[in-house]
Amino acid sequence: GAGVSQSPSNKVTEKGKDVELRCDPISGHTALYWYRQRLGQGLEFLIYFQGNSAPDKSGLPSDRFSAERTGESVSTLTIQRTQQEDSAVYLCASALPGRNQPQHFGDGTRLSIL
Amino acid sequence: LAKTTQPISMDSYEGQEVNITCSHNNIATNDYITWYQQFPSQGPRFIIQGYKTKVTNEVASLFIPADRKSSTLSLPRVSLSDTAVYYCLVGEEGSSASKIIFGSGTRLSIRP
Repeated sequence: GAGVSQSPSNKVTEKGKDVELRCDPISGHTALYWYRQRLGQGLEFLIYFQGNSAPDKSGLPSDRFSAERTGESVSTLTIQRTQQEDSAVYLCASALPGRNQPQHFGDGTRLSIL
Repeated sequence: LAKTTQPISMDSYEGQEVNITCSHNNIATNDYITWYQQFPSQGPRFIIQGYKTKVTNEVASLFIPADRKSSTLSLPRVSLSDTAVYYCLVGEEGSSASKIIFGSGTRLSIRP
């Protein structure tokens, strides 16, 4: 079946521009996560959705970062006034409801800020 | 926070068994242990999950001692395609999402 889909796969933009990253989770997965992964490093948690609500957004690095989810489906991560340190791969994962459900990841959006 | 410690890198050869150990001294009673595999330019992929003793699936085995302060991922007869980064996670999904820490993982290199 279809896995987690992220778009675009690559994004190059100039410093100061806004970017919007999209995640299409697996159907029926009510849990959705966003992570950031810098080159050669591990995953950094950004935000977690349960349905359309975000009970945990403690990982968002600054107020330039925001995310929303609609229809218990698609989620968008928006970065305003991008900075060079925002360059990274942004990964989305979804999971079935319930505790200890494995996360299913997309292949990420590689964001490069010039 | 349920922090984990694993070796930064490991090397092995095709056909060998590889064991990657992860330490998680502060594991909580409700925490499960989950391992993921990540290839370059891809998102992590779930390998195996366990709570105690031993779990085996078609890909790997997971050994967890009685005190649960560590766990060992065992990959039988590795091949070149097992070259990847392996992450050990401890924590409760969902409402404790921010407490799940992937860390830097173990970079496994398999040689012919």
